[in-house]
Amino acid sequence: AQTVTQSQPEMSVQEAETVTLSCTYDTSESDYYLFWYKQPPSRQMILVIRQEAYKQQNATENRFSVNFQKAAKSFSLKISDSQLGDAAMYFCAYRGARTQGGSEKLVFGKGTKLTVNP
Amino acid sequence: KAGVTQTPRYLIKTRGQQVTLSCSPISGHRSVSWYQQTPGQGLQFLFEYFSETQRNKGNFPGRFSGRQFSNSRSEMNVSTLELGDSALYLCASRKYQETQYFGPGTRLLVL
Repeated sequence: AQTVTQSQPEMSVQEAETVTLSCTYDTSESDYYLFWYKQPPSRQMILVIRQEAYKQQNATENRFSVNFQKAAKSFSLKISDSQLGDAAMYFCAYRGARTQGGSEKLVFGKGTKLTVNP
Repeated sequence: KAGVTQTPRYLIKTRGQQVTLSCSPISGHRSVSWYQQTPGQGLQFLFEYFSETQRNKGNFPGRFSGRQFSNSRSEMNVSTLELGDSALYLCASRKYQETQYFGPGTRLLVL
């Protein structure tokens, strides 16, 4: 079974600075998807960024970028120029690819609570 | 395009009762998944429906069930509620092989 581990229960960053959230996963599949979701106090789960395992290029969405290391099974999220609105729980998630018979359910890590200090 | 909607947003029930939660996916999305979020267990997959058929089921007792209608709307039902069923229930929809988008959740409190 696939597992996702987020080793940092809490992180803090100063406004305008950069922070990196860590995520490792375990799978025997070669084709899969990785996601970072953000859950603010409203509890709405919001997609931050998505990475397809077959793509070597790291995904980027504005101030958010990932460092995807497939061999190491590592998928970290970097937030640049942190803003107060970035404060939230961040969840790393894994999903298998149906083309390989993988389950398409999302497997989540336990989350990292990010605090942004003004 | 409207997002995923869930009703009701909040619910209080007592042990032994049953509850039905509803989820309307984004227009055009045929897959609906349900997740339970608790402080202790985190986010856990309940089940996924695609074109009215259950495709995957998580490790939950038979008290948890669901269905999907022809318009892709989905309901989940929990019978004989237990205190441990208190949780945030999240619904997510997607197109085939695409990203899942979540609704705002239904917060269930069992007393």
